Amino acid sequence: GESVGLHLPTLSVQEGDNSIINCAYSNSASDYFIWYKQESGKGPQFIIDIRSNMDKRQGQRVTVLLNKTVKHLSLQIAATQPGDSAVYFCAERSQGAGGTSYGKLTFGQGTILTVHP
Amino acid sequence: NAGVTQTPKFQVLKTGQSMTLQCAQDMNHEYMSWYRQDPGMGLRLIHYSVGAGITDQGEVPNGYNVSRSTTEDFPLRLLSAAPSQTSVYFCASFDRNTEAFFGQGTRLTVV
Repeated sequence: GESVGLHLPTLSVQEGDNSIINCAYSNSASDYFIWYKQESGKGPQFIIDIRSNMDKRQGQRVTVLLNKTVKHLSLQIAATQPGDSAVYFCAERSQGAGGTSYGKLTFGQGTILTVHP
Repeated sequence: NAGVTQTPKFQVLKTGQSMTLQCAQDMNHEYMSWYRQDPGMGLRLIHYSVGAGITDQGEVPNGYNVSRSTTEDFPLRLLSAAPSQTSVYFCASFDRNTEAFFGQGTRLTVV
């Protein structure tokens, strides 16, 4: 079945280090991938997205890499700050899928990122 | 724009009671979804909708009903609450080419 999963449930880094959060997906029809950040007591917030026709996309201090061959997605955070401490989720959609599947957004387990000052 | 609004923010139910969690969005998004999030877990899809009158089941639909009579609203009904439904519930809305926007969540406790 469809699933989106993460390799590492927790990640601890020192302030200023770069962080890498990984995600594996199994649905080969997935064509749109999103990273979300969730702080305690709040709903998920959009960080960055990437479509399947791209391998890399950069934002402010964040980069998402997509490897369709091995169905792997990663989020890189440069110069990690204490304010980056949160749970990070990857999510996927199949925008080109038939039926109602294009409206189905599936989340991975999540990685808890802790940044130490 | 208010974005996605969920009510109530907190709710305590007794086992067997029914209730409706409300979700409204003012972005004219086609798609809306309901998720539950248990402690230390990810978001699991309960039901979703791709337009008014069109709904479908997600990963964990049992014990929940939805309807989508308007574009703006997507209520989630618990038919007979059980302790296993104690969770935080999130509603999201999005379009084909946008990321999902989430409400602030409803924290539900079933005793």
